[in-house]
Amino acid sequence: DAKTTQPTSMDCAEGRAANLPCNHSTISGNEYVYWYRQIHSQGPQYIIHGLKNNETNEMASLIITEDRKSSTLILPHATLRDTAVYYCIVRYHAGNNRKLIWGLGTSLAVNP
Amino acid sequence: DTAVSQTPKYLVTQMGNDKSIKCEQNLGHDTMYWYKQDSKKFLKIMFSYNNKELIINETVPNRFSPKSPDKAHLNLHINSLELGDSAVYFCASSWGHTLGNTIYFGEGSWLTVV
Repeated sequence: DAKTTQPTSMDCAEGRAANLPCNHSTISGNEYVYWYRQIHSQGPQYIIHGLKNNETNEMASLIITEDRKSSTLILPHATLRDTAVYYCIVRYHAGNNRKLIWGLGTSLAVNP
Repeated sequence: DTAVSQTPKYLVTQMGNDKSIKCEQNLGHDTMYWYKQDSKKFLKIMFSYNNKELIINETVPNRFSPKSPDKAHLNLHINSLELGDSAVYFCASSWGHTLGNTIYFGEGSWLTVV
């Protein structure tokens, strides 16, 4: 029952920008978009999150469309260590029950 | 210094046994979670505790019982283990449980039931 859709896999050349798309067409007004990644055999790692405005931190940039129905995570200069599964998640509210609904993510392979 | 640490990392046990996975966080967070990642790589929340109080309890069998002795610890006890319990279990923590808080995950505990 994930509320987001992402491509199953993507490839990127080392040193180039990796642009990972995510559709969240049913997002509601107070739901944030979160991005996490999971490197093989490790726990998920927080990358970035946003509500309406574009966001940037030391790891990545998040571009959210004006209608908030989709977003793109940008890794400006991908390295081999960025090879991971990237999850786009919408924070879901159901009364007092707040939780993240995880999909299957995009498996990003950064190639030398 | 590991922020969220869980033990054991690997656990192989027989059906019917009872086992526990321990979790500790040194981030000063007041909310802790247990997630389960199955063979299809779906990550699903199981439990969430805020200040030692249970706030999220997903539909998991009663055989799974979380215990939070203090804010820094959330242990997961599993009774009468079944083959379907084989998965990776992740502990996590955050400051607060409302919108916008970042969740920090442990490295995972690989449970195999044979």
